Amino acid sequence: AQSVAQPEDQVNVAEGNPLTVKCTYSVSGNPYLFWYVQYPNRGLQFLLKYITGDNLVKGSYGFEAEFNKSQTSFHLKKPSALVSDSALYFCAGGRRALTFGSGTRLQVQP
Amino acid sequence: GAGVSQSPSNKVTEKGKDVELRCDPISGHTALYWYRQRLGQGLEFLIYFQGNSAPDKSGLPSDRFSAERTGESVSTLTIQRTQQEDSAVYLCASSLTAGGQYEQYFGPGTRLTVT
Repeated sequence: AQSVAQPEDQVNVAEGNPLTVKCTYSVSGNPYLFWYVQYPNRGLQFLLKYITGDNLVKGSYGFEAEFNKSQTSFHLKKPSALVSDSALYFCAGGRRALTFGSGTRLQVQP
Repeated sequence: GAGVSQSPSNKVTEKGKDVELRCDPISGHTALYWYRQRLGQGLEFLIYFQGNSAPDKSGLPSDRFSAERTGESVSTLTIQRTQQEDSAVYLCASSLTAGGQYEQYFGPGTRLTVT
């Protein structure tokens, strides 16, 4: 069985500051990990993935994530937050049937 | 190109009635998935189709839930004898399954309300 955890229900950050949204995972074998963003009344949008290769993966809208095997983490990061980044973020793991975390609401204050 | 589309966008039904939800995947995507998102919660996997293989039904919560897919195109999710706990947003996704292209692309969802 696999599991994905997002320990923070909400993250608040000031515009222009760096942001981190945390994710930890528990999977057997090589993990396939993803980040999605959900804006109000819209479907989930794919941001980035880790399948294999470099531990730092870059994705859409300036987001990146760092895969850390020893800490079983896949935290989402952005060097400089925008107010428009405010949304609900989901971490997910799996190759076919994805297991999702409970989501983290990111609030970027102007 | 066109993304994943779902219909209807909203569905209100009475307890005990059957409902059908439709999903049109991205053209060329061989895999199709259904998920359920209850209010304020993450997504729960329901069922997965891959080409002509037998579907993975391991996430279906009861035998009132079933789904079909015609080839590599349209899928329908059917919920029989709906219950209030079935109220949720039902999301469909599709993906490629080769060349490392495993990311799933989601439709806008169908919001189901059972009264």
